[in-house]
Amino acid sequence: QKEVEQNSGPLSVPEGAIASLNCTYSDRGSQSFFWYRQYSGKSPELIMFIYSNGDKEDGRFTAQLNKASQYVSLLIRDSQPSDSATYLCASRDSNYQLIWGAGTKLIIKP
Amino acid sequence: EPEVTQTPSHQVTQMGQEVILRCVPISNHLYFYWYRQILGQKVEFLVSFYNNEISEKSEIFDDQFSVERPDGSNFTLKIRSTKLEDSAMYFCARGAPSNYGYTFGSGTRLTVV
Repeated sequence: QKEVEQNSGPLSVPEGAIASLNCTYSDRGSQSFFWYRQYSGKSPELIMFIYSNGDKEDGRFTAQLNKASQYVSLLIRDSQPSDSATYLCASRDSNYQLIWGAGTKLIIKP
Repeated sequence: EPEVTQTPSHQVTQMGQEVILRCVPISNHLYFYWYRQILGQKVEFLVSFYNNEISEKSEIFDDQFSVERPDGSNFTLKIRSTKLEDSAMYFCARGAPSNYGYTFGSGTRLTVV
């Protein structure tokens, strides 16, 4: 059974601090990994994707991938109240299917 | 302007009734997907559609479900006889089997009463 695991939270972070979101996956055949942001009642919005080991930075967001540990993370620097949302981690397997985590609820406190 | 629009945004239907959910991709893509998300639960894959044919479907996508692209533009998901447990957000997505993620539509909230 292919699984993507996330801590459901909520994760509470002060405004301006770094928010760190983590995700583990079970399928070693997974090739790509995605972070989506989902506001309540809205559709998932792609934040970042990563497929190579190491870090990938885009503005305030950094995705980190460690395939040996089957671990993906998302760092949000200078957290803003507008970053408060549920963050979904997903892996894409060798059949190009997305395997979704249940999401981590992030709360940025002003 | 959203790249993928879905209609209606919210539909309430009685159990046993048929519903048709519509998706209109603005750009001309070949790959489309339907996902659903029951309130508070994970996003679940329903079906993928490539070049006007179903390429893969999940266990959820049973005989009650069907997809079509009747006019080469709109992409529809039909549920023939809705059940209470079909109540969920339904998302259409467009994408391609590459390293890039999928773009989701705005979603349709289906409530079966």
